[in-house]
Amino acid sequence: EIVLTQSPGTLSLSPGERATLSCRASQSVSSSYLAWYQQKPGQAPRLLIYGASSRATGIPGRFSGSGSGTDFTLTITRLEPEDFAVYYCQQYGSSPLYTFGQGTNLEIK
Amino acid sequence: EVQLVQSGAEVKKPGESLKISCKASGYSFTNYWIGWVRQMPGTGLEWMGIINPGDSESRYSPSFQGQVTISADKSISTAYLQWSSLKASDIAMYYCARLVSAAGFAFDIWGQGTMVTVSS
Repeated sequence: EIVLTQSPGTLSLSPGERATLSCRASQSVSSSYLAWYQQKPGQAPRLLIYGASSRATGIPGRFSGSGSGTDFTLTITRLEPEDFAVYYCQQYGSSPLYTFGQGTNLEIK
Repeated sequence: EVQLVQSGAEVKKPGESLKISCKASGYSFTNYWIGWVRQMPGTGLEWMGIINPGDSESRYSPSFQGQVTISADKSISTAYLQWSSLKASDIAMYYCARLVSAAGFAFDIWGQGTMVTVSS
């Protein structure tokens, strides 16, 4: 079973700063099947990145994803007030078919 | 507009059965698998299972196999998640989401969620 571990658990930054969120897999994950989601309080998750580095429709360019194998990163350049939320990584393909990381809470400093 | 609209919040007693729904619109329902995701209060996302509405083939997370049943009615573009006997540990928000193979099998469209409360 693949386990996704996200770090840090909580990240405190100010608007305008750069955020770097990490997702580490216990086994190698195909880059094609690594996604990132954003969830704000009281809302459903929203797909940000798929295929490790492709932005989903309507996602601003300040969001970018990178990585391969067991280490993946979500970067948000120049944080906007609306970017403060919880972020989850997710993999597809290994049993269980889908796994989510435990989430990183990006909070305003 | 592509959207998934879920049924409303439910309050049930332990041991009762429940079926919640997820109605798709704005796209061809049978062309995309639908998944269900649980979020217990204050916690993260857990994948429960997926279904192909075209032929009702389903796949479950080992954690949820035998605990819930996922089904779909393509005639009304609706997917379902059901329990035969609810427990207090089933208290959670449940989301349906559309699976897109072209996006690395990620979930690109999500329903608004259905809150399930189980209390005697």
